[in-house]
Amino acid sequence: QVQVVQSGAEVKKPGASVKVSCKASGYIFSGYAIQWVRQAPGQSLEWMGWINAGNGNTKYSQKFQDRVTITRDTSASTAYMELSSLASEDTAVYYCARGGRELLNFFDYWGQGTLVTVSS
Amino acid sequence: ENVLTQSPGTLSLSPGERATLSCRASQSVSTNYLAWYQQKPGQAPGLLIYAASSRATGIPDRFSGSGSGTDFTLTISRLEPEDFAVYYCQQYGSSPLTFGGGTKVEIK
Repeated sequence: QVQVVQSGAEVKKPGASVKVSCKASGYIFSGYAIQWVRQAPGQSLEWMGWINAGNGNTKYSQKFQDRVTITRDTSASTAYMELSSLASEDTAVYYCARGGRELLNFFDYWGQGTLVTVSS
Repeated sequence: ENVLTQSPGTLSLSPGERATLSCRASQSVSTNYLAWYQQKPGQAPGLLIYAASSRATGIPDRFSGSGSGTDFTLTISRLEPEDFAVYYCQQYGSSPLTFGGGTKVEIK
């Protein structure tokens, strides 16, 4: 069965970076994409970016363009999202989700979420 | 970007009642690429509907989606206790992908 498992919670200081991992199993990793979405406390969902797990192509939301990097390791069936220059407003649960290979797709399997807390 | 507005913000209903949730887009959603997700407290969202009206695998037929262009609806025909949750619409017809603000369906 398809599973998407994320790394554990992180606490970071302002100005630091965080790297969240997303390990997929139960399907051919390179045949799909991984999308990243975040949810601030009590708020809605916000799309951050996408990676085609097959060819490594990426697309980022303009809001995060300068601070986010999404990569993947096909040998480990794992995608990564790194966000730099963290501020308190980046405190949120970060989700990865499987999408179709192209950018314009819905998300059918989601990770459990990773809480990132930014605090001095 | 295509802004999605969901209404109402909160829907107070009893089990067995019908729920009608609205999602309105600021621009026409290309190819009716609109999805609905359900999120329960402390959990990740789960896919209910894609392409405006197609149910995801394993989703009961009391959930149905309809609409086109800029106006979309999620209907739950008879609320079960496990359906009380927050529902989000998402458009994936254009980049950036965007989500609505959510509708909370609570027990009356």
